[in-house]
Amino acid sequence: SAVISQKPSRDICQRGTSLTIQCQVDSQVTMMFWYRQQPGQSLTLIATANQGSEATYESGFVIDKFPISRPNLTFSTLTVSNMSPEDSSIYLCSALRELNTEAFFGQGTRLTVV
Amino acid sequence: QKEVEQNSGPLSVPEGAIASLNCTYSDRGSQSFFWYRQYSGKSPELIMFIYSNGDKEDGRFTAQLNKASQYVSLLIRDSQPSDSATYLCAVNSGNTPLVFGKGTRLSVIA
Repeated sequence: SAVISQKPSRDICQRGTSLTIQCQVDSQVTMMFWYRQQPGQSLTLIATANQGSEATYESGFVIDKFPISRPNLTFSTLTVSNMSPEDSSIYLCSALRELNTEAFFGQGTRLTVV
Repeated sequence: QKEVEQNSGPLSVPEGAIASLNCTYSDRGSQSFFWYRQYSGKSPELIMFIYSNGDKEDGRFTAQLNKASQYVSLLIRDSQPSDSATYLCAVNSGNTPLVFGKGTRLSVIA
């Protein structure tokens, strides 16, 4: 299995500001993803973080709001830009070591926008 | 649109009973199937994965897969209060992100 370190674990931010969440994997992985989870809801995929190129965003999510970087095979960041209270959620990064294998998750970032 | 369907529950079972969690998926090309457990406020953790038709057992957990019916289930034997959590079914079709169901909330009553 892979170990994913995600930080910060939680933050309270002012509306209009931006927060960058980081994920570091302890070994090289094939794919990395970012999810959002509203309270009591399931996981919603935001985007696939592609190494060395622009992320692939799901419907309803755009690069200007959620810029993503993945400079190498072990690290990715998600920025939540120009935050509003509606962005309050848990953000999770995930990784696949190989295709068709299980996904591993970071510890999550609980974001509250006030 | 690839979909994974689960009964949201809550599913309540008495301690010591068998809990049966079910999941259906829409993509016939799906190749791998996973069950995750998520405690409140925590990230999902993998419990079981299954790739082939039939049953796969690991301790108190048994995953069952029927590709013809596009159905995957998780049985938890001798359920314990510590098993109370949300169980997420996830499906993978190769070079794509896992598609997750909405999860079934399980409550094991002591």
